[in-house]
Amino acid sequence: AQTVTQSQPEMSVQEAETVTLSCTYDTSESDYYLFWYKQPPSRQMILVIRQEAYKQQNATENRFSVNFQKAAKSFSLKISDSQLGDAAMYFCAYRSRINDMRFGAGTRLTVKP
Amino acid sequence: DAGVTQSPTHLIKTRGQQVTLRCSPKSGHDTVSWYQQALGQGPQFIFQYYEEEERQRGNFPDRFSGHQFPNYSSELNVNALLLGDSALYLCASSSRDRGATFGSGTRLTVV
Repeated sequence: AQTVTQSQPEMSVQEAETVTLSCTYDTSESDYYLFWYKQPPSRQMILVIRQEAYKQQNATENRFSVNFQKAAKSFSLKISDSQLGDAAMYFCAYRSRINDMRFGAGTRLTVKP
Repeated sequence: DAGVTQSPTHLIKTRGQQVTLRCSPKSGHDTVSWYQQALGQGPQFIFQYYEEEERQRGNFPDRFSGHQFPNYSSELNVNALLLGDSALYLCASSSRDRGATFGSGTRLTVV
């Protein structure tokens, strides 16, 4: 079974600094996708960044980037120049062609002014 | 372009009752998935609908059932409600291999 593990229940970062959120996953599949979603208090899950497993290049979206280590089954999210609006729950998620999305337990990110 | 719409936003039901939650997918999406998110946890996959059929199912009892209509909208039905069914129910729509778009959820409270 596919599992997603986020080992950091809570993280804190100073405004304008950089923070890295960790995620590991377990799978025997070779073709899959990895995601980071943000869930603010409004409850809506917002897609932050997406990575296809077959791509070696790490995905980047403005201040957000990932470190995808396929052999280690690791998928961390780096947030640069943190802003107050980045404060939220962050969920790492896995999906394959035959299995729908599986989420980790989440990391609560606090941004200090 | 409307995103994913869920209704109602909040709902209070009594133990043993039945509930129906509704979801309208994002325009252009043909696949709808439902998730249950208990307080302080990550979403758990319930099931997915595509072409009006249940395509995948997570580890949820038969009390949880669903339906997808020809216009791709979907319903989630839960029978014989238990206190433990209290959660945020999220609907997500997608198309092919793109990331899913989520709605804001329905907060169900069972008393």
